[in-house]
Amino acid sequence: DTAVSQTPKYLVTQMGNDKSIKCEQNLGHDTMYWYKQDSKKFLKIMFSYNNKELIINETVPNRFSPKSPDKAHLNLHINSLELGDSAVYFCASSLPGATEAFFGQGTRLTVV
Amino acid sequence: QQQVKQSPQSLIVQKGGISIINCAYENTAFDYFPWYQQFPGKGPALLIAIRPDVSEKKEGRFTISFNKSAKQFSLHIMDSQPGDSATYFCAASISGGYQKVTFGTGTKLQVIP
Repeated sequence: DTAVSQTPKYLVTQMGNDKSIKCEQNLGHDTMYWYKQDSKKFLKIMFSYNNKELIINETVPNRFSPKSPDKAHLNLHINSLELGDSAVYFCASSLPGATEAFFGQGTRLTVV
Repeated sequence: QQQVKQSPQSLIVQKGGISIINCAYENTAFDYFPWYQQFPGKGPALLIAIRPDVSEKKEGRFTISFNKSAKQFSLHIMDSQPGDSATYFCAASISGGYQKVTFGTGTKLQVIP
């Protein structure tokens, strides 16, 4: 009965590959997010979706493409992976306009 | 632009001591200031939060002090325990609408026995 679940938890891939990370929430929230946490633990928002509609897109390279098939799912597809994409990616959700975000356990992406 | 500045970057406290983490913000439109706690291998989780209409909020051993005029807020952990060892993030947001949460840079707290 995990609230926000991400798969996979670990992802190791070669430069140039395309990969996807999946996220699902069972909290009934309308708003979902992708955050990137770098090696220094800095958390930065990448995207925010509300009820399948893109709300926030923070100057993220267009190699990153989020997709929300329904309001309970927000997947992240990354094309042409680069070494600098190595990080932990967190999915989160909240009620619209609400303040508390519920985070998944993260996906540690390593590009070699 | 880093809108929420957090210090220190790391902190070592003895068991039973007081841990203090400070944050400062720039955007006066922020009206919600949460603190998140993150254990290794886990996602951040909301610990405690405050709005600027109060100067202090306490939940168990955790207290937020808020100074609106100085645009600063801090987290105090009383009687720190080894189980409190984690990374703590302050954050700020504008409630309502779809405003994003801006996080501080994080403080790695280690409580030693």
